Amino acid sequence: AQKVTQAQTEISVVEKEDVTLDCVYETRDTTYYLFWYKQPPSGELVFLIRRNSFDEQNEISGRYSWNFQKSTSSFNFTITASQVVDSAVYFCALRQGETSGSRLTFGEGTQLTVNP
Amino acid sequence: EPEVTQTPSHQVTQMGQEVILRCVPISNHLYFYWYRQILGQKVEFLVSFYNNEISEKSEIFDDQFSVERPDGSNFTLKIRSTKLEDSAMYFCASRYYEQYFGPGTRLTVT
Repeated sequence: AQKVTQAQTEISVVEKEDVTLDCVYETRDTTYYLFWYKQPPSGELVFLIRRNSFDEQNEISGRYSWNFQKSTSSFNFTITASQVVDSAVYFCALRQGETSGSRLTFGEGTQLTVNP
Repeated sequence: EPEVTQTPSHQVTQMGQEVILRCVPISNHLYFYWYRQILGQKVEFLVSFYNNEISEKSEIFDDQFSVERPDGSNFTLKIRSTKLEDSAMYFCASRYYEQYFGPGTRLTVT
């Protein structure tokens, strides 16, 4: 069975602070994919990143960076110099390898509030 | 940029009524999904659809639910007899590599 845990229910920071959102996953598959999605107050789900289980290289995209560590089954997400527009719920998700269904299993989400 | 679209954005229905939620996936995508999100909770998988048939479904997706791709572009979710606990945001998604989500339909059952 797959499971994703986001232990931080809510985080509140002041603008320009760095913030890290934690994600821990469980799976018995050797091939899997990890994702982060952003859900702003308007409600849509915005794809941010996908990593596969064979690629532990950390990734940076502008103010966003992701730290994937298989040894601790974690896929953490850091926002540098946070902005008010970063306020949203962030979901980490896991997908098994390339089967035809390949459902996403989501964590509970972390509500990030960035205050001016 | 292509996107997944969903209609209606908000649907209010009475308990026991049938509803059909509609989605237009991205045109070259091969896999289609429905998820739901009860207010304030996580996103939950309902069903996946590939090659004109259900490829996987969750325990939530019972006999009250059905999916269809009637015309090669639309992808629908039908709930035959709605219950109060069906009130949620329903997201359609389609995938080639990544799953891209539609904006959701908020279903309110009264």
